[in-house]
Amino acid sequence: GAGVSQSPSNKVTEKGKDVELRCDPISGHTALYWYRQSLGQGLEFLIYFQGNSAPDKSGLPSDRFSAERTGGSVSTLTIQRTQQEDSAVYLCASSPGGLCDFGPGTRLLVL
Amino acid sequence: AQSVSQHNHHVILSEAASLELGCNYSYGGTVNLFWYVQYPGQHLQLLLKYFSGDPLVKGIKGFEAEFIKSKFSFNLRKPSVQWSDTAEYFCAVSEGAQKLVFGQGTRLTINP
Repeated sequence: GAGVSQSPSNKVTEKGKDVELRCDPISGHTALYWYRQSLGQGLEFLIYFQGNSAPDKSGLPSDRFSAERTGGSVSTLTIQRTQQEDSAVYLCASSPGGLCDFGPGTRLLVL
Repeated sequence: AQSVSQHNHHVILSEAASLELGCNYSYGGTVNLFWYVQYPGQHLQLLLKYFSGDPLVKGIKGFEAEFIKSKFSFNLRKPSVQWSDTAEYFCAVSEGAQKLVFGQGTRLTINP
């Protein structure tokens, strides 16, 4: 079946611009995560949505980062006023509970 | 807060060597344990998982991991590695339905 999809696959932007990254989770998966993967930094947790509960935003690195999950399905991660240190691969994962299925990621480059 | 430690950042082995990658976690309660693998240019994918039962877990491609509760460990093993095992390996832990916490990853390079 269809896995987790993310768009765009690559995004190049200028410092100071806003970007939106989209994640389409597997249908029926109640949990959705965003992670960031930077060279040499491993997988950095950003935000976690579980059903109708308030999201766990404890991993967001600054108030420039925000995320929404509409209707318990699609999620958008927004980065405002991008900085060069925001360059990374942003990974989305969804889960029915327990193990996660990961998307291919969005590679963000901030010039 | 839950944390996961992978002690080896980069491991280099020759083909046919045995592999063990360390993973320790900080939480002492009921946990779910995972190893994920990321082959060059590919998605993260699940290698194996432990929820309950037999602490020795078999995964894909000949990998296995052993949950040792007293040591808070979930080390990944393979008796004989292949060049195609070159990848980055991530250990992850969750407490029930709580969020998945990842270790920093171990880069494995297998020389032919």
